Amino acid sequence: QIQLVQSGPELKKPGESVKISCKASGYTFTDYAMNWVKQAPGKGLKWMGWINTDTGKPTYAEDFKGRFVFSLEASASIANLQISNLKNEDTATYFCTRAKLYDHFDYWGQGVMVTVSS
Amino acid sequence: DIVMTQSPSSLAVSAGETVTLNCKSSQSLLYSGNQKNYLAWYQQKPGQSPKLLLYWASTRQSGVPDRFIGSGSATDFTLTISSVQAEDLAIYYCQHYYDTPYTFGAGTKLELK
Repeated sequence: QIQLVQSGPELKKPGESVKISCKASGYTFTDYAMNWVKQAPGKGLKWMGWINTDTGKPTYAEDFKGRFVFSLEASASIANLQISNLKNEDTATYFCTRAKLYDHFDYWGQGVMVTVSS
Repeated sequence: DIVMTQSPSSLAVSAGETVTLNCKSSQSLLYSGNQKNYLAWYQQKPGQSPKLLLYWASTRQSGVPDRFIGSGSATDFTLTISSVQAEDLAIYYCQHYYDTPYTFGAGTKLELK
């Protein structure tokens, strides 16, 4: 069955970096792009961007340019999100979700809670 | 960017009621090339990831009960839940995928009356 399994919760200090992973299984990894979605505590969903799992080319939403990096370990069907120079406002749950381009998000990871606190 | 506006922000219902959730987009989501509306609805329960309910505005995802009905076109969309069950209490988000950046509405929280 199709699954997106994300890494575990993270507790970081401001200024540190974090890398979270999303392992896909049950389908051909390169057939679907991987999108990332942020959900701050008690807030709604915000699309961060996507990575083409065939070419590795990332596309970032405007608010996520600079400190955010999408990457792949394609041979292992893993997509990664790295956030550098963490700020308090990065405290959120981060979801990976697959979709073809201009298409709905049909499968989601379970989410990774990242807490940034001094 | 396309702005998605959902109403109401919360709704208190009793089991067995029929409810209608609204979603408006700031520009048309109907693509003339294929006559499809690039809109999806998701359900999110506390502590869980969002779950796809409907796509292309009205196509039910596999396994979604037929009491969830999506309708509308262009800029105005609705999600109707007939005979609400206790398990339907959740936050419902609409999202467009017409173009990037994809954006979500702020959500409608369905609560028990």
